[in-house]
Amino acid sequence: EVQLVESGGGLVKPGGSLRLSCAASGFTFSSYTMNWVRQAPGKGLEWVSSISALSSSIYYADSVKGRFTISRDNAKNSLYLQMNSLRAEDTAVYYCARVAIAAAGTLWFDPWGQGTLVTVSS
Amino acid sequence: EIVMTQSPATLSVSPGERATLSCRASQSVSTNLAWYQQKPGQVPRLLIYGASNRATGISARFSGSVSGTEFTLTISSLQSEDFAVYYCQQYNNWPPWYSFGQGTKLEIK
Repeated sequence: EVQLVESGGGLVKPGGSLRLSCAASGFTFSSYTMNWVRQAPGKGLEWVSSISALSSSIYYADSVKGRFTISRDNAKNSLYLQMNSLRAEDTAVYYCARVAIAAAGTLWFDPWGQGTLVTVSS
Repeated sequence: EIVMTQSPATLSVSPGERATLSCRASQSVSTNLAWYQQKPGQVPRLLIYGASNRATGISARFSGSVSGTEFTLTISSLQSEDFAVYYCQQYNNWPPWYSFGQGTKLEIK
């Protein structure tokens, strides 16, 4: 069974840092572009960042560029999101999501992890 | 940046009736559009990709169509489990710049 499990969320003060992890199983992790998507409480979905299968291509939404860093460890089947200089508006559930087809770039997302909540508040 | 605009924000429909949800792209995305369903406290679930292709395991009551930059998700004969929030997503850009619509809440009338 294909599975994505996020961890690392929690409460952090404005200006603080947090590192999210996403553990993948049930598929060849090293063959897929991976993404982070977030959803603020009661709001819609916002794409955050993408990383290609071999980490050669990395992209960010303008809202997080320069503050967040996406990375992956294919040997550990894991995806990461290092979040620095956190702001109240970064409060959201953060989902990791796989593109649907191996070796593909821009595609729809399937599956999604269950999400981890990040709360930025003093 | 491609902006996706969904309408209406809320749609009230009776069980057994048909629901029609719209999503408009600010510029051409070809057929590079997906629809997701999200129920309260749950993860988004893929319904449609490529504008009109049902994902694995999705009921035939769900169908997608496109006309230019206007995309439509139709749910025929609504069942209780269909009441949820629906999001469209374009994946046409390169380099990747995914954008989602703001969502349509489908509620029981």
